[in-house]
Amino acid sequence: AQTVTQSQPEMSVQEAETVTLSCTYDTSESNYYLFWYKQPPSRQMILVIRQEAYKQQNATENRFSVNFQKAAKSFSLKISDSQLGDTAMYFCAFSFLQGAQKLVFGQGTRLTINP
Amino acid sequence: NAGVTQTPKFQVLKTGQSMTLQCAQDMNHEYMSWYRQDPGMGLRLIHYSVGAGITDQGEVPNGYNVSRSTTEDFPLRLLSAAPSQTSVYFCATWGSGDTEAFFGQGTRLTVV
Repeated sequence: AQTVTQSQPEMSVQEAETVTLSCTYDTSESNYYLFWYKQPPSRQMILVIRQEAYKQQNATENRFSVNFQKAAKSFSLKISDSQLGDTAMYFCAFSFLQGAQKLVFGQGTRLTINP
Repeated sequence: NAGVTQTPKFQVLKTGQSMTLQCAQDMNHEYMSWYRQDPGMGLRLIHYSVGAGITDQGEVPNGYNVSRSTTEDFPLRLLSAAPSQTSVYFCATWGSGDTEAFFGQGTRLTVV
């Protein structure tokens, strides 16, 4: 079975700093998707960034980027120039390419950006 | 387009009561899933469906039933609510060819 582990239950940084959230996963598959989801207090699940395992290039979306290390099964999220609106719970998630209806989530990291 | 709509947003039940959480989507997605979110445990898969008439169990199916009679709807039934089912429930959809899931806004359920 696939597992996703987020070892940082809570993190806190000052506004404008850079922060990195860690995620490790375990799978025997070679092709899959990895995701970072943001959940603000509104409870809505918002996709932050997505990585296809068959792509070597790390995904980036504006201030958000990932460090995808396939051999180490590591998928960290870097948030640059953090903003107050980045305060949220962040979930790392895994999905098979076939079987996208079965996402496997990590435990979550609660990130607080302080003014 | 409404996307994925869950009703109700909040619900309080007494132990032993039954209820149905509704999930409706207007994106014509084949895949639909139900997750529950508990503190420190992330989201866990309850049941999922790959199309109308086809459902299967996820990681934590006990105490829940589902059916999928149409592409649009995927209700989650609690037959006899227990305090352990207090949680936030999310419905999600995924279309073939898509590379991400789309979530409803969640239902906060409290069983007393």
